[in-house]
Amino acid sequence: SQQGEEDPQALSIQEGENATMNCSYKTSINNLQWYRQNSGRGLVHLILIRSNEREKHSGRLRVTLDTSKKSSSLLITASRAADTASYFCAGRSAQGAQKLVFGQGTRLTINP
Amino acid sequence: DGGITQSPKYLFRKEGQNVTLSCEQNLNHDAMYWYRQDPGQGLRLIYYSQIVNDFQKGDIAEGYSVSREKKESFPLTVTSAQKNPTAFYLCASTLSLVAGAEQFFGPGTRLTVL
Repeated sequence: SQQGEEDPQALSIQEGENATMNCSYKTSINNLQWYRQNSGRGLVHLILIRSNEREKHSGRLRVTLDTSKKSSSLLITASRAADTASYFCAGRSAQGAQKLVFGQGTRLTINP
Repeated sequence: DGGITQSPKYLFRKEGQNVTLSCEQNLNHDAMYWYRQDPGQGLRLIYYSQIVNDFQKGDIAEGYSVSREKKESFPLTVTSAQKNPTAFYLCASTLSLVAGAEQFFGPGTRLTVL
């Protein structure tokens, strides 16, 4: 079963706008990670937020985590055409399993 | 350059044949993982290994086999028992077993069964 489920499945915005993607998960997590994937390529780690953190920033990225709602959001500010990619959330179980469970991803398209 | 390499980038196989996908890392990472990705989908875990000579089944291990004879290598064999092997295969590794380690991914191998 998928740990994370992203919403929306696809998002298309104009360059310069902000993009927000959401992720919900089912079981308790130790941390939640966001990854980016360009078409036909491997995934690249963007940011990790631990279960005791509520918000984290990295450059134009802002991630929030609400453990009571089992949800996270990724905000990309001032989007650029190069941000076009698929974005995945992945949860690491709090039960100690050394593996990540990925959601199905949000396909983000930035229109110039 | 440090990183994870996967080969080949594209692989074609006839039905009924076994095929082995290579994954090598020079990051000195302990744990390695194999994922399968179908079009428009997320990643599903096939197998993972936390140390040399040890590995565990993931969520979709049937029809696949792995070995971990060396720390830097984690090859995946797609056997003829895998009924629908056409997919994009991704290998990843993490520095340690401490919860929270980010995963580093290879560029992937696209397998097509003819």
